[in-house]
Amino acid sequence: DVKVTQSSRYLVKRTGEKVFLECVQDMDHENMFWYRQDPGLGLRLIYFSYDVKMKEKGDIPEGYSVSREKKERFSLILESASTNQTSMYLCASRLRAQLGNTGELFFGEGSRLTVL
Amino acid sequence: AQSVTQPDIHITVSEGASLELRCNYSYGATPYLFWYVQSPGQGLQLLLKYFSGDTLVQGIKGFEAEFKRSQSSFNLRKPSVHWSDAAEYFCAVGARGGDYKLSFGAGTTVTVRA
Repeated sequence: DVKVTQSSRYLVKRTGEKVFLECVQDMDHENMFWYRQDPGLGLRLIYFSYDVKMKEKGDIPEGYSVSREKKERFSLILESASTNQTSMYLCASRLRAQLGNTGELFFGEGSRLTVL
Repeated sequence: AQSVTQPDIHITVSEGASLELRCNYSYGATPYLFWYVQSPGQGLQLLLKYFSGDTLVQGIKGFEAEFKRSQSSFNLRKPSVHWSDAAEYFCAVGARGGDYKLSFGAGTTVTVRA
Protein backbone atom coordinates (compact mmCIF):
# COMPACT_ATOMS: atom_id res chain seq x y z
CA ASP A 1 0.00 0.00 0.00
CA VAL A 2 1.03 3.54 -0.68
CA LYS A 3 2.00 5.41 2.40
CA VAL A 4 2.10 9.18 2.55
CA THR A 5 3.47 10.43 5.85
CA GLN A 6 3.12 13.95 7.16
CA SER A 7 5.61 14.38 9.97
CA SER A 8 3.58 16.77 12.11
CA ARG A 9 -0.08 16.08 12.87
CA TYR A 10 -0.61 19.16 15.04
CA LEU A 11 1.38 22.38 15.17
CA VAL A 12 0.89 25.64 17.01
CA LYS A 13 2.94 28.58 15.78
CA ARG A 14 3.03 32.33 16.36
CA THR A 15 2.40 35.00 13.79
CA GLY A 16 5.55 35.74 11.81
CA GLU A 17 7.22 32.40 12.47
CA LYS A 18 8.60 30.32 9.60
CA VAL A 19 6.81 27.00 9.35
CA PHE A 20 7.89 23.82 7.59
CA LEU A 21 5.43 21.04 6.81
CA GLU A 22 7.07 17.85 5.63
CA CYS A 23 5.61 15.07 3.51
CA VAL A 24 7.21 11.78 2.51
CA GLN A 25 5.82 9.08 0.21
CA ASP A 26 7.18 5.59 -0.22
CA MET A 27 5.83 4.53 -3.63
CA ASP A 28 8.17 6.32 -5.99
CA HIS A 29 5.40 8.63 -7.19
CA GLU A 30 6.44 11.40 -9.51
CA ASN A 31 3.69 13.86 -8.64
CA MET A 32 3.13 15.41 -5.22
CA PHE A 33 0.62 17.97 -4.01
CA TRP A 34 -0.16 20.26 -1.09
CA TYR A 35 -3.80 21.08 -0.38
CA ARG A 36 -5.41 23.27 2.20
CA GLN A 37 -8.73 22.16 3.69
CA ASP A 38 -11.16 24.58 5.29
CA PRO A 39 -14.79 23.99 6.33
CA GLY A 40 -17.20 24.70 3.50
CA LEU A 41 -14.41 25.23 0.99
CA GLY A 42 -13.28 21.67 0.38
CA LEU A 43 -9.71 21.12 -0.73
CA ARG A 44 -7.83 23.90 -2.44
CA LEU A 45 -4.57 23.27 -4.23
CA ILE A 46 -1.62 25.31 -2.97
CA TYR A 47 1.30 23.89 -4.96
CA PHE A 48 2.15 20.75 -6.83
CA SER A 49 5.29 19.15 -8.17
CA TYR A 50 5.54 16.97 -11.25
CA ASP A 51 8.95 15.63 -10.30
CA VAL A 52 12.12 16.42 -8.41
CA LYS A 53 13.01 20.11 -8.39
CA MET A 54 9.82 20.94 -10.33
CA LYS A 55 6.98 22.97 -8.89
CA GLU A 56 3.85 24.66 -10.11
CA LYS A 57 1.52 27.09 -8.40
CA GLY A 58 -1.92 25.87 -7.62
CA ASP A 59 -5.02 27.92 -6.94
CA ILE A 60 -3.91 29.61 -3.70
CA PRO A 61 -0.09 29.88 -3.61
CA GLU A 62 0.16 33.28 -1.93
CA GLY A 63 2.06 33.14 1.34
CA TYR A 64 3.47 29.67 0.64
CA SER A 65 6.50 28.14 -1.04
CA VAL A 66 7.59 24.55 -1.60
CA SER A 67 10.71 22.46 -1.98
CA ARG A 68 11.20 19.12 -3.75
CA GLU A 69 14.87 18.17 -3.53
CA LYS A 70 14.24 14.43 -3.42
CA LYS A 71 11.57 12.42 -5.17
CA GLU A 72 10.01 11.09 -1.98
CA ARG A 73 9.84 14.37 -0.08
CA PHE A 74 7.76 17.50 -0.67
CA SER A 75 7.91 20.34 1.82
CA LEU A 76 5.50 23.21 2.28
CA ILE A 77 6.95 26.40 3.71
CA LEU A 78 5.15 29.32 5.29
CA GLU A 79 7.77 32.07 5.26
CA SER A 80 5.92 34.23 7.78
CA ALA A 81 2.89 32.55 9.25
CA SER A 82 -0.32 34.53 9.61
CA THR A 83 -3.52 33.77 11.47
CA ASN A 84 -5.42 33.27 8.20
CA GLN A 85 -3.15 30.32 7.46
CA THR A 86 -4.65 28.39 10.35
CA SER A 87 -5.97 25.32 8.58
CA MET A 88 -5.65 21.62 7.85
CA TYR A 89 -2.91 20.88 5.31
CA LEU A 90 -3.04 17.70 3.27
CA CYS A 91 -0.24 16.22 1.23
CA ALA A 92 -0.94 13.81 -1.62
CA SER A 93 1.01 11.87 -4.21
CA ARG A 94 0.33 9.88 -7.36
CA LEU A 95 1.96 8.36 -10.37
CA ARG A 96 2.93 10.55 -13.30
CA ALA A 97 -0.09 11.86 -15.18
CA GLN A 98 -0.32 10.03 -18.49
CA LEU A 99 -2.81 8.18 -20.66
CA GLY A 100 -4.12 5.10 -18.93
CA ASN A 101 -3.45 6.53 -15.50
CA THR A 102 -6.57 7.78 -13.77
CA GLY A 103 -4.77 10.34 -11.67
CA GLU A 104 -5.85 8.87 -8.35
CA LEU A 105 -4.37 10.71 -5.38
CA PHE A 106 -3.07 9.09 -2.20
CA PHE A 107 -3.31 11.31 0.87
CA GLY A 108 -1.47 11.71 4.11
CA GLU A 109 -3.35 12.09 7.39
CA GLY A 110 -3.01 15.84 7.42
CA SER A 111 -1.26 18.49 9.49
CA ARG A 112 -3.45 20.78 11.51
CA LEU A 113 -1.75 24.14 11.89
CA THR A 114 -2.87 26.82 14.32
CA VAL A 115 -1.28 30.25 14.05
CA LEU A 116 -1.73 32.47 17.09
CA ALA B 1 -11.32 24.10 -16.20
CA GLN B 2 -13.41 21.50 -14.45
CA SER B 3 -15.48 22.07 -11.31
CA VAL B 4 -17.54 20.06 -8.85
CA THR B 5 -20.68 20.86 -6.87
CA GLN B 6 -21.88 18.91 -3.89
CA PRO B 7 -25.30 20.42 -3.19
CA ASP B 8 -25.74 18.93 0.29
CA ILE B 9 -23.53 20.32 3.04
CA HIS B 10 -24.83 18.01 5.73
CA ILE B 11 -26.99 14.87 5.69
CA THR B 12 -28.34 12.97 8.69
CA VAL B 13 -29.39 9.38 8.19
CA SER B 14 -30.54 6.61 10.50
CA GLU B 15 -28.41 3.53 10.88
CA GLY B 16 -29.64 0.89 8.45
CA ALA B 17 -31.24 3.41 6.12
CA SER B 18 -30.05 4.09 2.60
CA LEU B 19 -27.77 6.99 1.73
CA GLU B 20 -27.31 8.99 -1.45
CA LEU B 21 -24.82 11.82 -1.83
CA ARG B 22 -25.08 14.07 -4.83
CA CYS B 23 -22.23 15.25 -7.04
CA ASN B 24 -22.49 17.36 -10.17
CA TYR B 25 -19.52 18.26 -12.29
CA SER B 26 -18.71 20.67 -15.05
CA TYR B 27 -16.31 19.52 -17.73
CA GLY B 28 -16.39 19.58 -21.51
CA ALA B 29 -15.57 15.92 -22.07
CA THR B 30 -15.77 12.66 -20.15
CA PRO B 31 -13.87 13.18 -16.93
CA TYR B 32 -12.28 10.94 -14.37
CA LEU B 33 -14.50 10.91 -11.28
CA PHE B 34 -13.70 10.01 -7.70
CA TRP B 35 -15.32 9.76 -4.31
CA TYR B 36 -13.14 10.10 -1.23
CA VAL B 37 -14.09 9.71 2.44
CA GLN B 38 -12.49 11.47 5.38
CA SER B 39 -13.04 10.20 8.90
CA PRO B 40 -12.53 12.72 11.71
CA GLY B 41 -8.88 13.69 12.10
CA GLN B 42 -7.78 11.58 9.16
CA GLY B 43 -6.66 12.06 5.58
CA LEU B 44 -8.78 11.20 2.55
CA GLN B 45 -9.34 7.61 1.50
CA LEU B 46 -10.49 6.63 -1.99
CA LEU B 47 -13.92 4.97 -2.02
CA LEU B 48 -14.26 4.45 -5.75
CA LYS B 49 -13.45 5.93 -9.14
CA TYR B 50 -14.85 6.09 -12.63
CA PHE B 51 -12.43 5.87 -15.49
CA SER B 52 -14.37 4.34 -18.38
CA GLY B 53 -16.68 1.45 -19.20
CA ASP B 54 -19.53 0.42 -16.92
CA THR B 55 -21.18 3.53 -15.53
CA LEU B 56 -22.09 1.82 -12.25
CA VAL B 57 -18.97 1.60 -10.16
CA GLN B 58 -18.51 -0.49 -7.04
CA GLY B 59 -16.23 0.66 -4.29
CA ILE B 60 -15.05 -0.23 -0.83
CA LYS B 61 -17.20 -0.32 2.32
CA GLY B 62 -20.30 -1.27 0.30
CA PHE B 63 -20.52 2.01 -1.65
CA GLU B 64 -21.40 2.41 -5.29
CA ALA B 65 -21.71 5.36 -7.66
CA GLU B 66 -23.32 5.88 -11.02
CA PHE B 67 -21.94 8.10 -13.75
CA LYS B 68 -24.72 9.81 -15.70
CA ARG B 69 -23.31 11.76 -18.61
CA SER B 70 -26.65 13.35 -19.52
CA GLN B 71 -26.97 14.81 -16.02
CA SER B 72 -23.27 15.49 -15.42
CA SER B 73 -23.63 13.61 -12.16
CA PHE B 74 -21.77 11.00 -10.17
CA ASN B 75 -23.93 10.26 -7.13
CA LEU B 76 -22.73 8.01 -4.34
CA ARG B 77 -25.03 5.45 -2.75
CA LYS B 78 -25.06 2.91 0.02
CA PRO B 79 -28.08 0.66 0.64
CA SER B 80 -27.67 0.35 4.41
CA VAL B 81 -25.62 2.78 6.44
CA HIS B 82 -23.50 1.77 9.42
CA TRP B 83 -22.54 4.06 12.29
CA SER B 84 -18.93 3.91 11.04
CA ASP B 85 -19.99 5.65 7.81
CA ALA B 86 -20.24 8.94 9.68
CA ALA B 87 -17.61 11.04 7.94
CA GLU B 88 -17.09 13.74 5.34
CA TYR B 89 -17.36 12.74 1.71
CA PHE B 90 -15.69 14.51 -1.19
CA CYS B 91 -16.40 14.19 -4.88
CA ALA B 92 -13.55 15.03 -7.25
CA VAL B 93 -13.21 15.40 -11.00
CA GLY B 94 -10.08 15.09 -13.09
CA ALA B 95 -9.50 16.16 -16.65
CA ARG B 96 -8.27 13.64 -19.19
CA GLY B 97 -5.03 14.76 -20.72
CA GLY B 98 -2.93 17.68 -19.66
CA ASP B 99 -1.83 17.64 -16.06
CA TYR B 100 -4.76 15.57 -14.76
CA LYS B 101 -5.26 17.87 -11.79
CA LEU B 102 -8.22 17.04 -9.60
CA SER B 103 -10.86 19.53 -8.52
CA PHE B 104 -12.72 18.77 -5.31
CA GLY B 105 -16.20 19.61 -4.14
CA ALA B 106 -16.80 21.33 -0.81
CA GLY B 107 -17.75 18.06 0.82
CA THR B 108 -20.85 16.53 2.44
CA THR B 109 -20.82 15.66 6.13
CA VAL B 110 -22.80 12.55 7.00
CA THR B 111 -24.15 12.04 10.49
CA VAL B 112 -25.54 8.63 11.41
CA ARG B 113 -28.11 8.42 14.18
CA ALA B 114 -28.81 5.26 16.07
